[in-house]
Amino acid sequence: RKEVEQDPGPFNVPEGATVAFNCTYSNSASQSFFWYRQDCRKEPKLLMSVYSSGNEDGRFTAQLNRASQYISLLIRDSKLSDSATYLCAALSPGSSNTGKLIFGQGTTLQVKP
Amino acid sequence: DADVTQTPRNRITKTGKRIMLECSQTKGHDRMYWYRQDPGLGLRLIYYSFDVKDINKGEISDGYSVSRQAQAKFSLSLESAIPNQTALYFCATSDRGQGSYNEQFFGPGTRLTVL
Repeated sequence: RKEVEQDPGPFNVPEGATVAFNCTYSNSASQSFFWYRQDCRKEPKLLMSVYSSGNEDGRFTAQLNRASQYISLLIRDSKLSDSATYLCAALSPGSSNTGKLIFGQGTTLQVKP
Repeated sequence: DADVTQTPRNRITKTGKRIMLECSQTKGHDRMYWYRQDPGLGLRLIYYSFDVKDINKGEISDGYSVSRQAQAKFSLSLESAIPNQTALYFCATSDRGQGSYNEQFFGPGTRLTVL
């Protein structure tokens, strides 16, 4: 089993829809999590960090469920420009000194007119 | 100017050739990382370094070596390239002393093709 797993999708949604992605992690000692956005053939860029129960930034909400070991990303009122791959990452336990992240394989979102 | 730069951006080479990918950063970060990305596999860590004197293997270090020439420079070498090393390679940096916050900043990537 991979340490961080995501449904690769693609998720195809119409503009204006609400879409949610989940990311599961296997190591219960993981404390910090991140959502990165990656456009085609470009570098990943940090979208949101999740350290406690959740985080919200405009149309984007990330939540952490420690009991079930998953984090979620909710996108409300989807825009065409939200089309991208969303990568989930967990800080490797015991790695606060090295910052070592473990990434999932990414979830692809296509928002259609 | 970009904070994290990678050279070259694209490279096509032949099996058995030695290749070096270079990464430079102006962010003043101590930690640097090399990842490869393959379709369906996400980002996999090759090597990481959290200062000039400390280099560590990641999950897929076989066939690769690195050099941390200075705080700002971290190079990845393929001593004898093989076709299954064809991938998109990213360098990343992060700051030390932020506890668990650890945001990583990525370079633009190098697309490597080994024929």
